[in-house]
Amino acid sequence: GQQVMQIPQYQHVQEGEDFTTYCNSSTTLSNIQWYKQRPGGHPVFLIQLVKSGEVKKQKRLTFQFGEAKKNSSLHITATQTTDVGTYFCAGLLLGGNTGKLIFGQGTTLQVKP
Amino acid sequence: DTEVTQTPKHLVMGMTNKKSLKCEQHMGHRAMYWYKQKAKKPPELMFVYSYEKLSINESVPSRFSPECPNSSLLNLHLHALQPEDSALYLCAVKRAGTEPGELFFGEGSRLTVL
Repeated sequence: GQQVMQIPQYQHVQEGEDFTTYCNSSTTLSNIQWYKQRPGGHPVFLIQLVKSGEVKKQKRLTFQFGEAKKNSSLHITATQTTDVGTYFCAGLLLGGNTGKLIFGQGTTLQVKP
Repeated sequence: DTEVTQTPKHLVMGMTNKKSLKCEQHMGHRAMYWYKQKAKKPPELMFVYSYEKLSINESVPSRFSPECPNSSLLNLHLHALQPEDSALYLCAVKRAGTEPGELFFGEGSRLTVL
């Protein structure tokens, strides 16, 4: 079936180091979204990428969507302890009149102060 | 602050019990979702309602019964659950249609089946 793979599963960094998580789909995606889930919390939307090759930035976070619209990445520059959580990519597959969002396995980020 | 409210926040039930999870939204979004999330796993899609009609059922066992009484409410009725059904159940809403758009999640209902 259609899958969205995400690596790494876990990442431990020292505060101030950079962090990157990668997402790959077996099929071309309509768009890709990124969510952050803090420990004990619920997923919160970060950003959506729609166009092939798109790059978006939010302060220290940089999001990229591949040219083939099958892969994406999230890069955090100079991590802070507030960045701790699990980052999920989610690819939108069109189905009927409502898109079906498939989540990657997530990357859990731990930041040591 | 969340605009998608789920109740109860925690629920413990026996395998013979009947209970319901409720989700309420006032965002006016017409696509409503139930996701199930096990510990250290991603949200797993269960059901999608579009304009109050069930549009996607991801082959969920019949012991889970969704209901969308109106555009603001989404219920998940639970009956004869198994311990492996213990999980965080998340409701989410989105603008209906094929245009991309973010999912707004509620805080979830954490279910324990004994």
